[in-house]
Amino acid sequence: DIVMTQSPESLAVSLGERATINCKSSQSVLYTSNNKNHLAWYQQKPGQPPKLLIYWASTRESGVPDRFSGSGSGTDFTLTISSLQAEDVAVYYCQQYFSSPLTFGQGTKVEIK
Amino acid sequence: QVQVVQSGAEVKKPGASVKVPCKASGYTFTTYTMHWVRQAPGQRLEWMGWINAGNGNTKFSQKFQDRVTFTSDTSASTAYMELSSLRSEDTAVYYCARALGTSGYLPIDHWGQGTQVTVSS
Repeated sequence: DIVMTQSPESLAVSLGERATINCKSSQSVLYTSNNKNHLAWYQQKPGQPPKLLIYWASTRESGVPDRFSGSGSGTDFTLTISSLQAEDVAVYYCQQYFSSPLTFGQGTKVEIK
Repeated sequence: QVQVVQSGAEVKKPGASVKVPCKASGYTFTTYTMHWVRQAPGQRLEWMGWINAGNGNTKFSQKFQDRVTFTSDTSASTAYMELSSLRSEDTAVYYCARALGTSGYLPIDHWGQGTQVTVSS
């Protein structure tokens, strides 16, 4: 199984400041036949299901604000919120869909400082 | 618009089974794969498996493959997850969630609101 490890487990950021979340996979999730990283990021607010933010490591889902961006390749990935807003308080998960079983990181809780 | 709607909460006794429905609308049901993901209290999301709603092919996490069944009723655009031999550790919110296409090796773009399953004697 591919193990997804996120860091930090939680972070507190001032409004308008940058938040950076890291995700590391235990093996590469880059599929060479399509040159795409099978890595997604989700946002989950309390009492709600997850919401897709980013897929293929850096493609923003339709309707997601452009302050959210994803980067990385192979085994190391980053989700960046360029200017944190109050509505961004949530838990963020990375997920690999490269191989079965699909696996998620343990989550990173983002709060306002 | 795409919607994935799940039923309300279920309370079951240890050893029982639960069957969770998931009704889809707003898209062609048979051209997408449906995942099942669960989340125990305070825990990370845990993938259980998927069903290709078009041909009925399934794939399971090894953790659940002896106890879980996925089915789909294409006439009702509804997928089902049945988990048997329930134990207290199965207490969780169970989500059905649509993949971005036919393949299961795609991101999940629409999630149901979840069904709380509580296992308690």
